[in-house]
Amino acid sequence: SQTIHQWPATLVQPVGSPLSLECTVEGTSNPNLYWYRQAAGRGLQLLFYSVGIGQISSEVPQNLSASRPQDRQFILSSKKLLLSDSGFYLCAWRGAGNSPLHFGNGTRLTVT
Amino acid sequence: AQTVTQSQPEMSVQEAETVTLSCTYDTSENNYYLFWYKQPPSRQMILVIRQEAYKQQNATENRFSVNFQKAAKSFSLKISDSQLGDTAMYFCAFMITINAGNMLTFGGGTRLMVKP
Repeated sequence: SQTIHQWPATLVQPVGSPLSLECTVEGTSNPNLYWYRQAAGRGLQLLFYSVGIGQISSEVPQNLSASRPQDRQFILSSKKLLLSDSGFYLCAWRGAGNSPLHFGNGTRLTVT
Repeated sequence: AQTVTQSQPEMSVQEAETVTLSCTYDTSENNYYLFWYKQPPSRQMILVIRQEAYKQQNATENRFSVNFQKAAKSFSLKISDSQLGDTAMYFCAFMITINAGNMLTFGGGTRLMVKP
């Protein structure tokens, strides 16, 4: 069966520090991968998605970037965090065809 | 562009009763998929139910069922025999299939509280 791992679960970082959130998927190949952000008490905002290694599409221009160095690995990064980067970050994957999204457990990021 | 609207920010229901959460969407596409996701206090996103637009029959998963009205672009979720564990944020989501990314568009969510 397929599983998705996302870490860390929580993170507190000072303004101006770098960020690296990692997500890996097991049990499938060539998944579509996604990074979403959820502000407190609000809906999900798609940040990036990837349909293959090295292929990244950005939905919202901002202080973040994403990379996919391996087929089942998706990384969300920032060189210098802003206070506004605080939020709950969710990684997700989906398979071929019209399968639904499957989410990781999320990372709660607090920028101080 | 596709939009998804959940007009009820918050709802409450007594345990064992039935509640219906509303969702409307706007699209010019004919082939698409609709989903309801549940996000409990743990914040993990859990798929509740899905509906293919080409199917007229409403999807059902145990106590969860949908009322899909394609012409009205409405996709409501009915929870029967509500349980305390149903307390969560519920998100309606829409997916079209015209590109490889097949991104989902989410509504703003409805916070459901089940009261004992």
